Amino acid sequence: DIRMTQSPASLSASLGETVNIECLASEDIYSDLAWYQQKPGKSPQLLIYNANSLQNGVPSRFSGSGSGTQYSLKINSLQSEDVATYFCQQYNNYPRTFGGGTKLELK
Amino acid sequence: EVQLVESGGGLVQPGASLKLSCVASGFTFSDYWMSWVRQTPGKTMEWIGDIKYDGSYTNYVPSLKNRFTISRDNAKSTLYLQMSNVRSEDTASYYCTRDGYSGADYWGQGVMVTVSS
Repeated sequence: DIRMTQSPASLSASLGETVNIECLASEDIYSDLAWYQQKPGKSPQLLIYNANSLQNGVPSRFSGSGSGTQYSLKINSLQSEDVATYFCQQYNNYPRTFGGGTKLELK
Repeated sequence: EVQLVESGGGLVQPGASLKLSCVASGFTFSDYWMSWVRQTPGKTMEWIGDIKYDGSYTNYVPSLKNRFTISRDNAKSTLYLQMSNVRSEDTASYYCTRDGYSGADYWGQGVMVTVSS
């Protein structure tokens, strides 16, 4: 199985700040990576697919980058509604696997 | 509007069986692969498996393959997860998802399964 190591596990940031979340795959996943946002008490929602493509309706302050085994999610100008847990998932190989999640809170 | 509505969860005893359902609407169900994903109380996400749009093929995480079965009824726009010989570690929220070509683009609201005597 491909192991997805996500960091940090938790993060505290101020409004307007830029936030970066990393995801490291145990092998090359050829940009077959998605990022999800899960707000408290809600279901996850797709933010980014193919490592850097923004899902319809997602604010442009979210962006994804990376290749090979290293990927990142960037949130520019953090807003209060961005408080959530973020997960990465690879879909290059079966079984699909998720990162451990990053809980983002406001400072 | 795409909607996925899970049902069938609840409190179940260890060793029992349980069948979850997910009714889809707002899209042509038979055009999409579908998946089940679970989230433990500690918030760990685990992909369980998926099923091809016509129901002819399934994939599973190896650790659950012998106890969980995914099926679908395209006439009813319904996805199923049959769980057998459940264990305490199966306690989780279970989500059905619609699989786009690149990730799960829609998720249901989730259904809680608690395994306890």
